[in-house]
Amino acid sequence: DAKTTQPTSMDCAEGRAANLPCNHSTISGNEYVYWYRQIHSQGPQYIIHGLKNNETNEMASLIITEDRKSSTLILPHATLRDTAVYYCIVRVVNTGTASKLTFGTGTRLQVTL
Amino acid sequence: NAGVMQNPRHLVRRRGQEARLRCSPMKGHSHVYWYRQLPEEGLKFMVYLQKENIIDESGMPKERFSAEFPKEGPSILRIQQVVRGDSAAYFCASSPLSNLDPEQYFGPGTRLTVT
Repeated sequence: DAKTTQPTSMDCAEGRAANLPCNHSTISGNEYVYWYRQIHSQGPQYIIHGLKNNETNEMASLIITEDRKSSTLILPHATLRDTAVYYCIVRVVNTGTASKLTFGTGTRLQVTL
Repeated sequence: NAGVMQNPRHLVRRRGQEARLRCSPMKGHSHVYWYRQLPEEGLKFMVYLQKENIIDESGMPKERFSAEFPKEGPSILRIQQVVRGDSAAYFCASSPLSNLDPEQYFGPGTRLTVT
């Protein structure tokens, strides 16, 4: 799986959008970009994933650059409960198999009042 | 639909004892993964199992650690003769068979403390 690079930490004011960047310059054509988060030692929580198109769900939006070498996770209206470590993971998804997740160090997002 | 269940949530063992961690995947999920998180570190993959088969154990320590996922019942991660360095949070995740839903759903973890 390709390596990802994320900032160590970020702050965001409550109610504002949180934009979390991720670099994955060695990503291959069959690798997806996944985002998970871990809130204070709980089990990681799936947020969103995409291949090359931008994606949106009830939690967040994922913007992937046209060359796919970087992406941004957007939490449109951050709340205190979004304070967590956010992991950007690049992963191959093949038919009939489900590969492991390789977690890096992630970005520690602190949402403040 | 109940989520991934892990028990016990907290486990204390003395050095040299055995630790047995259980994971019940979500209903309908046939893939189970175990991850370990040492204090102040990220999660590290240990092993990936399907029913009665170990698919990928590349992250498992060569000694003292074993995992199984029997046809009936939960997946078990077993650590024999525990040492202080085994103290960590152990997370189990499950996913369904189809790659149409390849996300992994994590349990709350078991926190193992070796005294």
